[in-house]
Amino acid sequence: DGGITQSPKYLFRKEGQNVTLSCEQNLNHDAMYWYRQDPGQGLRLIYYSQIVNDFQKGDIAEGYSVSREKKESFPLTVTSAQKNPTAFYLCASGLAGGQDTQYFGPGTRLTVL
Amino acid sequence: EDQVTQSPEALRLQEGESSSLNCSYTVSGLRGLFWYRQDPGKGPEFLFTLYSAGEEKEKERLKATLTKKESFLHITAPKPEDSATYLCAVQATQGGSEKLVFGKGTKLTVNP
Repeated sequence: DGGITQSPKYLFRKEGQNVTLSCEQNLNHDAMYWYRQDPGQGLRLIYYSQIVNDFQKGDIAEGYSVSREKKESFPLTVTSAQKNPTAFYLCASGLAGGQDTQYFGPGTRLTVL
Repeated sequence: EDQVTQSPEALRLQEGESSSLNCSYTVSGLRGLFWYRQDPGKGPEFLFTLYSAGEEKEKERLKATLTKKESFLHITAPKPEDSATYLCAVQATQGGSEKLVFGKGTKLTVNP
């Protein structure tokens, strides 16, 4: 089955720790995205990548880092510099360079203890 | 700045009671408008993409329409399984990215 997978589904972090969220897709999409969702707010873009080995900051990149070493994978690291990391994190992918739909993964809920 | 406003924030319907959700937007140039459905604790599920004013798309009990300033998601004879949060997003032509700007969503509850 083609799709986007995210792991883990739930993640607990102690303050001061870095954690990495996984996102994998087998849709052969060039573009991948990370969004953050908080209660009562719209999804906000953290980082995006339109091609391997290249990525750009979104609206709320501070305290996050990403890599794009493979077309299928776009991991997100939430660093200790992120002041309020508790949120629902969503990964998406789509064809780059056009009017194309973004398809979302199932999400990872991160809780800071 | 590109903005998306969805109304109402929450809507309760009886099964079979048709209604509409609104998504108004301001963008420098519209590349596309997207509707998603999101169930609690899950990722958004794609419903429709609309590209130009006057365009309409249908899927089962849902019909999406687009004007130059807003989009409507019409729900005809809803069933309890249509209960979810419906998200609207726009993609602008400027900026060189495929960034989506999302509204906060409309939470729909359909009672049996």
